[in-house]
Amino acid sequence: AQSVTQPDIHITVSEGASLELRCNYSYGATPYLFWYVQSPGQGLQLLLKYFSGDTLVQGIKGFEAEFKRSQSSFNLRKPSVHWSDAAEYFCAVGARDTDKLIFGTGTRLQVFP
Amino acid sequence: NAGVTQTPKFQVLKTGQSMTLQCAQDMNHEYMSWYRQDPGMGLRLIHYSVGAGITDQGEVPNGYNVSRSTTEDFPLRLLSAAPSQTSVYFCASSYDRFSYNEQFFGPGTRLTVL
Repeated sequence: AQSVTQPDIHITVSEGASLELRCNYSYGATPYLFWYVQSPGQGLQLLLKYFSGDTLVQGIKGFEAEFKRSQSSFNLRKPSVHWSDAAEYFCAVGARDTDKLIFGTGTRLQVFP
Repeated sequence: NAGVTQTPKFQVLKTGQSMTLQCAQDMNHEYMSWYRQDPGMGLRLIHYSVGAGITDQGEVPNGYNVSRSTTEDFPLRLLSAAPSQTSVYFCASSYDRFSYNEQFFGPGTRLTVL
């Protein structure tokens, strides 16, 4: 079965600084990997996903993520954070042999002006 | 398109009461699911459905029942509420059962059980 770990519970950055949120997964074959964002009081929205092809994927709102098989990672990056990026970010993993999506515990991003 | 809708937005129950959380989608999606979100635990899958008439258990199914009589609706029933079921509940849908598909989430129901 697949699993996913987000090691950082809470991250604080200044507006304009770069951002990297970590995600590590566990699965024997090529996983399907996702990043979702949850703004306060809202449901989740897909930022980007990877399931094959180019290991660097671009998403909405200027985010990107890189799939690194050797490190079992799928870290989310943004070169310059905006105050509106303050939210909770969830990494999720799916797989060919399952119809379930497993979510990490989330990373809460706080942005200071 | 309304997307995924959930009712109610907020609910307070007493221990032992029953209730149904409603979820509907208008995208003709085959796959629907229920998650609960608790602090520090992320989203955990309760039950899911790969099509009308088909349901299955997720990670934390105990205390919850579901049914899927139509493609559009996927209600979640709490038969006898317990304080441990205090949580935020999200319904989601996706095109079909394959987990590479994007899931679309409803706005959530915040449930408190006293």
